[in-house]
Amino acid sequence: AQSVAQPEDQVNVAEGNPLTVKCTYSVSGNPYLFWYVQYPNRGLQFLLKYITGDNLVKGSYGFEAEFNKSQTSFHLKKPSALVSDSALYFCAVRERMEYGNKLVFGAGTILRVKS
Amino acid sequence: SAVISQKPSRDICQRGTSLTIQCQVDSQVTMMFWYRQQPGQSLTLIATANQGSEATYESGFVIDKFPISRPNLTFSTLTVSNMSPEDSSIYLCSVVAGQGYDGTNTGELFFGEGSRLTVL
Repeated sequence: AQSVAQPEDQVNVAEGNPLTVKCTYSVSGNPYLFWYVQYPNRGLQFLLKYITGDNLVKGSYGFEAEFNKSQTSFHLKKPSALVSDSALYFCAVRERMEYGNKLVFGAGTILRVKS
Repeated sequence: SAVISQKPSRDICQRGTSLTIQCQVDSQVTMMFWYRQQPGQSLTLIATANQGSEATYESGFVIDKFPISRPNLTFSTLTVSNMSPEDSSIYLCSVVAGQGYDGTNTGELFFGEGSRLTVL
C-alpha cells in the first residue's frame, strides 16, 4: 500500500522567513503526490501536485514543493511565510484501487507563523 | 475546479440517532468520495460512491453503519447510523478534478467544507 509520512506535528516559523513542511513517501511505481491545506473550520484546499516532469512544482498562494526521488521526499516550501499561512497541511499520495484511485493522507502538520 | 456544497455544516446529535449528510456538486462527476476526519486526526476514506452502483467501502467501514446513496451524477448522501460519541468527526465529501473521470486521472480531489458532527 502507498503511504506518506509527515514527521513533524507542528512547524513554527517567523513571518518573512522561509518555511518547509516535510513529507516522505513510500510507493511502488511512480508516485503521484499532493499537498493540501486546511484552515480552521474549513474543508481541504488543493495546493499542488507532482505527477511527472520538473522536480520543483509550483502551486497556489506562493507555495512550491520539491520532489526528490533519491530521498523519497516531497517537502512543501515557501520563500517568505505569512501569518495567514498558519493552517494544517496534509501531504497525500494516490493509490490505485480496483475500482479507481484514492488519496491516502499523511497525519498532517500544523504550521504556525508568528509575526 | 468543482464547487461542492455540504449540508448540514454542523450538527449536535443524540446517541443512537442517525443523521444524513448531503453533498451537491456543481458539475457531473463519476465518482464521489466520503472521508472522515476525527478530532486531531488525518482524513480516512470511508467509501467511494459511483452513480448507479453500490458504494465501495474501505476496510473498517460497513454499509449498515454508513449507508450511501448516489442517485445522480451531481448528488450523494452519507448517513451515519446509530451514532455514538466515537462518531463525532468532520465528514467530508470530495470529487476528482475534471469531468469524465475514468480511473486513470491524476486524482487531485476537491473537497466540500465538511459536516462537523458532535454526538452527545
